[in-house]
Amino acid sequence: KAGVTQTPRYLIKTRGQQVTLSCSPISGHRSVSWYQQTPGQGLQFLFEYFSETQRNKGNFPGRFSGRQFSNSRSEMNVSTLELGDSALYLCASRGQDGETQYFGPGTRLLVL
Amino acid sequence: KNQVEQSPQSLIILEGKNCTLQCNYTVSPFSNLRWYKQDTGRGPVSLTIMTFSENTKSNGRYTATLDADTKQSSLHITASQLSDSASYICVVGGITSGTYKYIFGTGTRLKVLA
Repeated sequence: KAGVTQTPRYLIKTRGQQVTLSCSPISGHRSVSWYQQTPGQGLQFLFEYFSETQRNKGNFPGRFSGRQFSNSRSEMNVSTLELGDSALYLCASRGQDGETQYFGPGTRLLVL
Repeated sequence: KNQVEQSPQSLIILEGKNCTLQCNYTVSPFSNLRWYKQDTGRGPVSLTIMTFSENTKSNGRYTATLDADTKQSSLHITASQLSDSASYICVVGGITSGTYKYIFGTGTRLKVLA
């Protein structure tokens, strides 16, 4: 089985722009979670989607949004980018046992 | 407040030596605890996962222990190799209102030197 894939792998944007990141989960996985990882904060939970519905949400401003499609692929959007949004954005899909998360390689976003 | 604290923050050891990483948590209710290895610039990869009733779990040279009474876990790496250089993240999962929640530690950065 192919692992979790994320596109693009690297992205450079400027302040005020918006960005859309994509995540394709492992085939058969219906749960997709998004995380932001920065050197100082570690992994911070953004949100989780299951069967196209947002099931869980972390403490991030409304500029961060997401959605999930019927094929379980998920997108994350960040509007009005700020310098502090520079981070590695990781996507993880939930395993068949319902507990194990499998992470993608991440999208590294740099906001200038 | 649900928290996961890891120590040390960073560690440097020589190739072939053993080391132990610590994880203390206050997450409740507790469902499981897992250790991840994250190479620089890559996503985390699961090493071990333990439930409340498990005390130890091994994965090759990695051995995780769990003491649910004291809410402590450790990850022991035996005969370290250069490829063990990475960040090791402890994650505690719990079920709240029917949904899983994951609380991540900030990780221990391990550097193995030749």
